[in-house]
Amino acid sequence: GAVVSQHPSWVICKSGTSVKIECRSLDFQATTMFWYRQFPKQSLMLMATSNEGSKATYEQGVEKDKFLINHASLTLSTLTVTSAHPEDSSFYICSSLLNTEAFFGQGTRLTVV
Amino acid sequence: EDQVTQSPEALRLQEGESSSLNCSYTVSGLRGLFWYRQDPGKGPEFLFTLYSAGEEKEKERLKATLTKKESFLHITAPKPEDSATYLCAVAPYGNNRLAFGKGNQVVVIP
Repeated sequence: GAVVSQHPSWVICKSGTSVKIECRSLDFQATTMFWYRQFPKQSLMLMATSNEGSKATYEQGVEKDKFLINHASLTLSTLTVTSAHPEDSSFYICSSLLNTEAFFGQGTRLTVV
Repeated sequence: EDQVTQSPEALRLQEGESSSLNCSYTVSGLRGLFWYRQDPGKGPEFLFTLYSAGEEKEKERLKATLTKKESFLHITAPKPEDSATYLCAVAPYGNNRLAFGKGNQVVVIP
C-alpha cells in the first residue's frame, strides 16, 4: 500500500504556543489530504480537506484560524495548531487517497500543558 | 447524513475463539466500505475495501463481507496479535470523504 509519513509522532507544548505537524506522501502524489482528530475511544473526526495549491475546506465547527492547513506541494501538507490550549490536546491523523483507498499517517499525539 | 455504527464496542476473545464484528451503515449511494485496523497510538492501517453487496475479501485470519446495509469482519481462530481496534468507514458516491464508525476494540487473550 501507499506510504504516508507523519511527523512528529508526539509533541508536548506550552499553552499559547504553536505546533506544526507535517504529513508527507512518500511514494505517490497526494492531490488531496485529509486531516482528522481523534479522541480516546472515539471515531476519527474529519477536520478539513486540503487540495494542493488551494485553500483547505474546513468542516463545520472547526476554526480555520486556529488550525492552519497548508498543502503547497503534491507530497507535503502541514497542520499548524496556533495558540494551542489544553483542550487542543488530542491525536491528529492525516490521510491521503491513492485511487479509491485512503492511507493514513502514523498520527501525532499533541499534549498542551 | 452518512452514518456508521459498529458493534460490539468492545470484545474479549480467547485465543482461537472465532467471532464477527458488525458495521451497519446508511449512506446516500455507497462508493466503497473500508475496514482498517488501528493499534494504540498509531494511525489506521488499511485492511479491505468492499464495493458491492455480496463481495467478500480475505486476509490471513480476517474475512470481510458486505450487504446493502451492513458489513461483517470475521476473525477466525484469532491470535493475541489480532488485538486492536477495527474501524469501519464508508464513502458515498461523488465524495472522497470517509464517515467512520467508533470502532470495535478487540482483545484476544492467550
